[in-house]
Amino acid sequence: SAVISQKPSRDICQRGTSLTIQCQVDSQVTMMFWYRQQPGQSLTLIATANQGSEATYESGFVIDKFPISRPNLTFSTLTVSNMSPEDSSIYLCSAIRDSGYTFGSGTRLTVV
Amino acid sequence: GESVGLHLPTLSVQEGDNSIINCAYSNSASDYFIWYKQESGKGPQFIIDIRSNMDKRQGQRVTVLLNKTVKHLSLQIAATQPGDSAVYFCAEKRGTYKYIFGTGTRLKVLA
Repeated sequence: SAVISQKPSRDICQRGTSLTIQCQVDSQVTMMFWYRQQPGQSLTLIATANQGSEATYESGFVIDKFPISRPNLTFSTLTVSNMSPEDSSIYLCSAIRDSGYTFGSGTRLTVV
Repeated sequence: GESVGLHLPTLSVQEGDNSIINCAYSNSASDYFIWYKQESGKGPQFIIDIRSNMDKRQGQRVTVLLNKTVKHLSLQIAATQPGDSAVYFCAEKRGTYKYIFGTGTRLKVLA
């Protein structure tokens, strides 16, 4: 399975600021995915990031709030913009493997 | 929104006993399912999968059962160990790349 490195692993941010989360895969993958996991909840897909094209966002998520970059086949970033306490969550990146996803270890974001 | 639901948010099991974690899914056309294990501070990890043309699949100490009639999945863990303590999610494949995750069950293994 691919190894996915994600950073930062956690951060505490002031409301109104933005945080960019980085995700590095140890092999080339066509598609990468960003998920949000709110405290005690399941995983919700934010968007799908393809190299060379704009990300595809799920219902309830917009590019202005969660801009995504995918500059090459091994890297992606997710920015959480203009943060509010409601954005406090774990953010996970993932990539498709032969069987489902491989996930990074997540970024635990707390907005104060 | 779309969801795959789990009935028991927390399951406590004595070490050495068998664990059964259940999951209901909503789309009868789904043809692929995965169980993930998420330990504290980590991302979900693949445990076992099953395709809709199967009723049962076994791995090492784990078995997944699929009942398409009632749209129900279960994960059975034999001889549960302390290292099995985690949150378990079922995931249902929707379309080519999208997966819908269940709400999760926390498994606590009692010594």
